[in-house]
Amino acid sequence: EAGVAQSPRYKIIEKRQSVAFWCNPISGHATLYWYQQILGQGPKLLIQFQNNGVVDDSQLPKDRFSAERLKGVDSTLKIQPAKLEDSAVYLCAYLHGTVGGQETQYFGPGTRLLVL
Amino acid sequence: AQSVTQLGSHVSVSEGALVLLRCNYSSSVPPYLFWYVQYPNQGLQLLLKYTSAATLVKGINGFEAEFKKSETSFHLTKPSAHMSDAAEYFCAVSKNQGGKLIFGQGTELSVKP
Repeated sequence: EAGVAQSPRYKIIEKRQSVAFWCNPISGHATLYWYQQILGQGPKLLIQFQNNGVVDDSQLPKDRFSAERLKGVDSTLKIQPAKLEDSAVYLCAYLHGTVGGQETQYFGPGTRLLVL
Repeated sequence: AQSVTQLGSHVSVSEGALVLLRCNYSSSVPPYLFWYVQYPNQGLQLLLKYTSAATLVKGINGFEAEFKKSETSFHLTKPSAHMSDAAEYFCAVSKNQGGKLIFGQGTELSVKP
């Protein structure tokens, strides 16, 4: 958790409104992910970035969700317009190498979104 | 396609008892397997991971997991539960290092005094 900051931590909006989440890996990491975790389920990948480029966005609802990563560091995820089913925790993760060269995904604390 | 099944959405044990959380996976390629723990209102914390180096993997907080290819399983165990172990546990699979994680539904562990 200490390696990535997310804001806001909590957000309540009404349906059809727009919302944006921000993710900042504290140290620069080439690979960054956004996951959606609906209550009672495991996280699901929305989008994966390698530096500024998108590696996988196959499960991103592109009619309403968008994401960008500027300069290969910070990233924002936007929902416009929001639907009730978008209520979830949005987790940002980064890929980090460890001793022995194994890379692992480390997660931020998440942003909890409630759509009313 | 890869998938993960966690048997039992809720597991309850007494303090000091054995913890066993079950995970079965489906993968067309040798998988990378992970266990993450999630405390309330927090992100996921890595407990341990299997990357083909050894079938018995030791993680943090006294947890370990054994990769059994013949059973396509990667069950998580801890010999003696502590109250602080109460949390949600997720098993995940990936095709390669850095690839997307496919998570199971999660198992909520409760520890009774």
